[in-house]
This record gives sequence, structure tokens and C-alpha cells, in this order.
Amino acid sequence: ETGVTQSPTHLIKTRGQQVTLRCSSQSGHNTVSWYQQALGQGPQFIFQYYREEENGRGNFPPRFSGLQFPNYSSELNVNALELDDSALYLCASSLAGLPLHFGNGTRLTVT
Amino acid sequence: AQSVTQPDIHITVSEGASLELRCNYSYGATPYLFWYVQSPGQGLQLLLKYFSGDTLVQGIKGFEAEFKRSQSSFNLRKPSVHWSDAAEYFCAVANQAGTALIFGKGTTLSVSS
Repeated sequence: ETGVTQSPTHLIKTRGQQVTLRCSSQSGHNTVSWYQQALGQGPQFIFQYYREEENGRGNFPPRFSGLQFPNYSSELNVNALELDDSALYLCASSLAGLPLHFGNGTRLTVT
Repeated sequence: AQSVTQPDIHITVSEGASLELRCNYSYGATPYLFWYVQSPGQGLQLLLKYFSGDTLVQGIKGFEAEFKRSQSSFNLRKPSVHWSDAAEYFCAVANQAGTALIFGKGTTLSVSS
């Protein structure tokens, strides 16, 4: 059974740029969620996708957007990067709900 | 709104000693509760979950947690800690829609020899 995989593992971007992070869900899972984990904090919910539609969103601005593809993989896009966007971005998959199974994350640094 | 409080930021336990990590939640109805562990540079691994039924929940790696509604708590325990248990531990509660987890700020566990 393949777990949740994320790419890239690390990324450095400049303020104002755009970034795309990718996630492949665990085999058999149809729901993908994205979380942001700032240094020293717990993860914060960004949004969830189910059957290619956004199925819930946390308190993040519209410049955070996402996609889910027919094979249940997903992308997180962040436009107009800010320094505070520097964080570990975690993708999690599940079979229509809970519990969540997390990937190892993408470490984004914005300079 | 739901919230999770982990009162202890950092705990140090001797190898072989018992462990209890505290978690308090705020939620009106019966909560769905979780404990996750995160090793440095890694994602989150699910240790155990509580949805309903028996209030003492067994998880992986010898961990257990007890749901106490009267105290709004879901404390994590382990009878004998191993050096490999050193990590960050997060307690979480599901939101009302069941679409997201609300995490505490975490407790860092150090294990001394």
C-alpha cells in the first residue's frame, strides 16, 4: 500500500512569486486535505477536496487555491507569496472523512 | 468554536518511566479525538483515535488514551517510554462538519537515559 507522497520536499521562493505543491493520495483514498504548519505550531487546515470539489476551507485568503484530479492527486497553489507563508505544507488523504493519513510535507521558505 | 489545548510545551521523561501528555478540548457535542506524533522533518503519524464507545483507546507503539467527558480531556499515556519515542505529539479534534482537524500546539517529548 502506497502512502501519501508529496513533492518537492523543499522549496525556496522569493516574495511575490507563485508556487505549486503536489500530493499523491494513499491508494484507495478519495479525499485530500492540505494543512500549513508554521515553525513551533500545530498544523492549520487550509482546505479539503472531495471528488474534485472543494469541500471545506479554513481561514486562508483566496491566494491559496487547490485542485484535485480524477486520480485523487492534488495541487496546492499559492500566489503572491509572503514571508509568513514560510512553513511546512502537509497533505493528508482519507476515505471520505477521518482519520487523516499525512505525507511528509513540503518545506517552503520564502525570502 | 472547537479548540484544543496542550498545556505542556516540553516534557522530559527518563527512559523506562511512564508518560502522560495532557490534552483538553472545547466542543459541544461528542468529539472525534486524535493523537498524532511527528518526528523531526517528518509528517504526522496517527497514534490513536476516539470516535465513540470504550473511553480507553489503544493505539500503536504501546500508547493509549482515555476520553473523560467530565474533564474535557483526552490524555495520552505510555507505561514505559523508549528513547525512540522522543518526538512532537499533537492532540486534535475534528470540526463539526467532520472535514478538518483542529490541532493543539503540540508537546515536545525528550527522553533522557
